[in-house]
Amino acid sequence: EVQLVESGGGLVQPGRSLRLSCTASGFTFGDYAMSWVRQAPGKGLEWVGFIRSKAYGGTTEYAASVKGRFTISRDDSKSIAYLQMNSLKTEDTAVYYCTRGLAVFDPWGQGTLVTVSS
Amino acid sequence: EIVLTQSPGTLSLSPGERATLSCRASQSVSSSYLAWYQQKPGQAPRLLIYGASSRATGIPDRFSGSGSGTDFTLTISRLEPEDFAVYYCQQYGSSPPNTFGQGTRLEIK
Repeated sequence: EVQLVESGGGLVQPGRSLRLSCTASGFTFGDYAMSWVRQAPGKGLEWVGFIRSKAYGGTTEYAASVKGRFTISRDDSKSIAYLQMNSLKTEDTAVYYCTRGLAVFDPWGQGTLVTVSS
Repeated sequence: EIVLTQSPGTLSLSPGERATLSCRASQSVSSSYLAWYQQKPGQAPRLLIYGASSRATGIPDRFSGSGSGTDFTLTISRLEPEDFAVYYCQQYGSSPPNTFGQGTRLEIK
């Protein structure tokens, strides 16, 4: 069974950093691009960014709202994708989902809540 | 950036009825690269439709997608109790960025 499990969320002060992890199982992780999508409380879905597989250079793309502050990386040996979030703002408060793919997203993890507040 | 507008914002129907959800793009979505997702309260989204009309694995055939260019539709032929949820469209023809619609809430009448 394909499974994605996010971890690392929590309460953080504005301006601080946080790193989220997405642990994958049930498929050959290194063959796939991985994406992050977030959802602010009571709001819709917002694409955050993705990282391509190593076969496609392992390059990354980001939404304008997080570019320069967030970094996505991957460790194929551990089947983990990371989202490093720096200079966090209150508007970054959201549930962060990890999902497989860079265009069509399937499946999704259960999400991890990040709350940015003083 | 392509903006997706979903309508209606909320749709109130009864089990057994037919649901028609609309997604309109601000410019043409290339190669019908449009997907639909279902999200139930407290759960992650689930892929229903990709390529505008192809059902994802395990999705019942009461769900169908259609459309091209700037106008797309998700149809649920006969509503089951478990279908009441929020539905999002997403375009990936002009990516990045991927963009989502604001969602349609399908509620029980």
